[in-house]
Amino acid sequence: QSALTQPASVSGSPGQSITISCTGTSSDVGSYNLVSWYQQHPGKAPKLMIYEVSKRPSGVSNRFSGSKSGNTASLTISGLQAEDEADYYCCSYAGSSCYVFGTGTKVTVL
Amino acid sequence: EVQLVESGGGLVQPGGSLRLSCAASGFTFSSYWMHWVRQAPGKGLVWVSRINSDGSSTSYADSVKGRFTISRDNAKNTLYLQMNSLRAEDTAVYYCARVEIAMFNIWGQGTMVTVSS
Repeated sequence: QSALTQPASVSGSPGQSITISCTGTSSDVGSYNLVSWYQQHPGKAPKLMIYEVSKRPSGVSNRFSGSKSGNTASLTISGLQAEDEADYYCCSYAGSSCYVFGTGTKVTVL
Repeated sequence: EVQLVESGGGLVQPGGSLRLSCAASGFTFSSYWMHWVRQAPGKGLVWVSRINSDGSSTSYADSVKGRFTISRDNAKNTLYLQMNSLRAEDTAVYYCARVEIAMFNIWGQGTMVTVSS
């Protein structure tokens, strides 16, 4: 149950696009299309942004998109806005009704 | 309004016990699998435990197996986490979350647990 690997930080200017990677193993990310992404602002609870690799819940901006290739999932934020500055976590189903989260990525809007 | 509200956190000495509660409202609690996720100060999210909708099946992270017990009372719309033999490394904000199709779509506001002498 090792944490999925994410870059510690990613930054971009307003309007740019950024991509956050999430690397797991063939036992989690690589085995299931059950990767989700969460946004967390300081002192707040996480918020679901993407589920089942690439699906967006209602109410989440279409600037957020997800994808997966092999053992690595990715979250792309296009048209970066100041309000997107937050921590982002990926999560994958890992079998046997267990889950594993990523190490987290701090997104900074320059 | 769909809501989860945690309670029961606090300061406890190493080796001590604490029971967290998570009160659900605004949805049919008995229909959903529920989970606990924790976050140590300044650190990332860590999955802790889950329970199925009728309470007959549970799973735990290796780090808490044998020390923590998840349970639920569907008549009271409440989820619990009994934490025994607490260690300093259990210090964290504990969130309860509703999960469906592998998405944690509803989260509580969290309750802080501090293990220290």
